[in-house]
Amino acid sequence: SQQGEEDPQALSIQEGENATMNCSYKTSINNLQWYRQNSGRGLVHLILIRSNEREKHSGRLRVTLDTSKKSSSLLITASRAADTASYFCATRGSSNTGKLIFGQGTTLQVKP
Amino acid sequence: EAGVAQSPRYKIIEKRQSVAFWCNPISGHATLYWYQQILGQGPKLLIQFQNNGVVDDSQLPKDRFSAERLKGVDSTLKIQPAKLEDSAVYLCASSWGQGTNTGELFFGEGSRLTVL
Repeated sequence: SQQGEEDPQALSIQEGENATMNCSYKTSINNLQWYRQNSGRGLVHLILIRSNEREKHSGRLRVTLDTSKKSSSLLITASRAADTASYFCATRGSSNTGKLIFGQGTTLQVKP
Repeated sequence: EAGVAQSPRYKIIEKRQSVAFWCNPISGHATLYWYQQILGQGPKLLIQFQNNGVVDDSQLPKDRFSAERLKGVDSTLKIQPAKLEDSAVYLCASSWGQGTNTGELFFGEGSRLTVL
């Protein structure tokens, strides 16, 4: 079963614009992670935010987490054509298994 | 540092045939995962190993899928017999740590299966 629901499913922007993707989840979490997947490739980890954190930055990436609303957002600033990819949020639950469950993803196209 | 290795990258078989995928995780990673990713969807966890023990296989179709991780290192995922709906990319990933202390996952490039 998928825990995370991403919104929008697809996003198309011009180079230089900002891209915002949202993720909602259903149960309590230990941490939430964002991954990128280029077409035909494996997933690459972008950023991890723990349940007791509200915001995290990494280069052009900004992630927020609102545990009261069970939601997170990923902001990519000053987008580049190379940012074209699918982006997935994944939640790690509080159980001992540490299972990581992925959402359905947002497909981002950045036009040069 | 070498990444997660998977083989084969591509496999085409007919339904009812069998197939096996191999994964070699990053050295020292205790946890190994197999995910199934159907086109246009997010990865779905099939099985999670911690060292050579199974932590979670709740979504593994056990009547046709099997997986093992001998000696807590590399792993094999087998499908027998394959169905049309098994067409997907099978992703292997590994990570440091165990349970809720586990951080990021490192993924291989995946094995793309087409069942005709």
